[in-house]
Amino acid sequence: SQKIEQNSEALNIQEGKTATLTCNYTNYSPAYLQWYRQDPGRGPVFLLLIRENEKEKRKERLKVTFDTTLKQSLFHITASQPADSATYLCALENSGYALNFGKGTSLLVTP
Amino acid sequence: KAGVTQTPRYLIKTRGQQVTLSCSPISGHRSVSWYQQTPGQGLQFLFEYFSETQRNKGNFPGRFSGRQFSNSRSEMNVSTLELGDSALYLCASSFAGGQTTYNGYTFGSGTRLTVV
Repeated sequence: SQKIEQNSEALNIQEGKTATLTCNYTNYSPAYLQWYRQDPGRGPVFLLLIRENEKEKRKERLKVTFDTTLKQSLFHITASQPADSATYLCALENSGYALNFGKGTSLLVTP
Repeated sequence: KAGVTQTPRYLIKTRGQQVTLSCSPISGHRSVSWYQQTPGQGLQFLFEYFSETQRNKGNFPGRFSGRQFSNSRSEMNVSTLELGDSALYLCASSFAGGQTTYNGYTFGSGTRLTVV
């Protein structure tokens, strides 16, 4: 069956450091992978989309890598800030107009 | 431009009742999809509509249904509520959905349903 796995444990880092979150998937051949941020009680907010032929994509302090051989995406936040504290979700889209999400990784950035 | 609007924001219902949730997508977006989020299961796909047609449905019982109107607004209905239906229900809109959604999906803030 198709699975998307993210670090289940919360990630605690110090302000200014780089946070790295992992997304692994099985039984998918995705054309692209998406990352979302979710704050408590709110809907997910789209951050980045990376296509299968893109190794890396950047947006401001965010960087995503996509390795279709390893079936893995890494999500980096550089120079992290307390405001970056949230849950980060990776998602793959199947052919049926549906997003399948990982359970998310909770990030806490402390001053 | 206005975001995705979901109403109501919070809802408390009794077991056995039914509930209707509403979603107004971003203007110009024709695809609306619904998700259920619970602490144990995470985000799970319910169904997707495009131009008033349901294109896909997730693995949920028939008590969960939805529809889309000609103005792309969508509603979902849950009948005979069970305690396990307590969740955050999220609506997401996109221009066309599917592999053309290179800018991701825009989610609403959700409706928090509590069944007692």
